[in-house]
Amino acid sequence: GQQLNQSPQSMFIQEGEDVSMNCTSSSIFNTWLWYKQDPGEGPVLLIALYKAGELTSNGRLTAQFGITRKDSFLNISASIPSDVGIYFCAGQRSLGGTYKYIFGTGTRLKVLA
Amino acid sequence: NAGVMQNPRHLVRRRGQEARLRCSPMKGHSHVYWYRQLPEEGLKFMVYLQKENIIDESGMPKERFSAEFPKEGPSILRIQQVVRGDSAAYFCASSPQGLAGGYNEQFFGPGTRLTVL
Repeated sequence: GQQLNQSPQSMFIQEGEDVSMNCTSSSIFNTWLWYKQDPGEGPVLLIALYKAGELTSNGRLTAQFGITRKDSFLNISASIPSDVGIYFCAGQRSLGGTYKYIFGTGTRLKVLA
Repeated sequence: NAGVMQNPRHLVRRRGQEARLRCSPMKGHSHVYWYRQLPEEGLKFMVYLQKENIIDESGMPKERFSAEFPKEGPSILRIQQVVRGDSAAYFCASSPQGLAGGYNEQFFGPGTRLTVL
């Protein structure tokens, strides 16, 4: 099955640092979503993006829908220990006659206090 | 306002047994999606259902796997004659409408972790 390319795959950062991760595809998407998954839990929606070029913030999180509609990035400012987890991007597009979300491979974030 | 509920949270089965995973969508949501996640990997789409209809099952293995979303009650993902390779976390998500109209985020349940011995 198709998956989006997310980078970096994992990162260790110091508390207080800013974090940036991105998601790219060779295909165009209509919607981008960013989720966070804690160990043993389901993904929790962080930010949803609906228009090319859109920049949206949610607290310390900022995400942008790439102008080409083939990429998106997520920034976390002033990271804290509870930011630890796996961050997934998901893009929505028409595939095989129906719309579905395609998920990225995940960025594993570890924050050092 | 309860979120997406899944049960059981953990399920252990021996090879050859059947596994039944249940998902109750958020209130007001009539669209359900099932995903599978292997350790250290992302989510892989399996099936998309509306009430009493399978809309897209392109991600479902052709054999042993089936899904339903009856008019009343939860959505069920059923795996017959489980094998070790079926061990994974299975997540259910729901949305208020289908994805075609846009502005329809999926909200995920906590998952069922299936272990096949």
